[in-house]
Amino acid sequence: NAGVMQNPRHLVRRRGQEARLRCSPVKGHSHVYWYRQLPEEGLKFMVYLQKENIIDESGMPKERFSAEFPKEGPSILRIQQVVRGDSAAYFCASSRTGRESYNEQFFGPGTRLTVL
Amino acid sequence: AQSVSQHNHHVILSEAASLELGCNYSYGGTVNLFWYVQYPGQHLQLLLKYFSGDPLVKGIKGFEAEFIKSKFSFNLRKPSVQWSDTAEYFCAFSRGGADGLTFGKGTHLIIQP
Repeated sequence: NAGVMQNPRHLVRRRGQEARLRCSPVKGHSHVYWYRQLPEEGLKFMVYLQKENIIDESGMPKERFSAEFPKEGPSILRIQQVVRGDSAAYFCASSRTGRESYNEQFFGPGTRLTVL
Repeated sequence: AQSVSQHNHHVILSEAASLELGCNYSYGGTVNLFWYVQYPGQHLQLLLKYFSGDPLVKGIKGFEAEFIKSKFSFNLRKPSVQWSDTAEYFCAFSRGGADGLTFGKGTHLIIQP
């Protein structure tokens, strides 16, 4: 079984550019979560999406960050006009079911974003 | 604000030593609790989880954890560690079924042969 796939694994951007991070969930999973890990920190929850819906974006910065999970294709985390402070590892996780029952989150390998 | 505190950022042990990694969470309601492990160069993997029932839960690779509600704790234990247990360990909780997880900062465990 293919696990959660993320690409690219490493992404280098200059300040002011856009970064697009992709996440393909485990086959059959319709729930996706994005987390950010800054150096020497734990993972911080950013956003939780179901197909075509944002369920919880309480951890998402208010500006420059957006996420989507379309009906077809991977989930995308988009960061516009990147700044050096956006340099971090971004992890995606997916789960099979929703809030009606407990679901295990399976994590991808992460995308390491470096902003020059 | 809800948070997870892991008491030790770096732990160094010899093989066959016993391990206990501390974890405390701050949230007043019902929680689901987790320990994740990240081996060098690998994905984050679930070690064990608790959401109801017996507060002593057993996970993979001989690990176990005990939920003590009165102490808001979920400490991870292993009676005899191996060199292959060298990894980063993260404690986490969620408030309910499909909420995002709140993670601790992690404990870097090094096992010396």
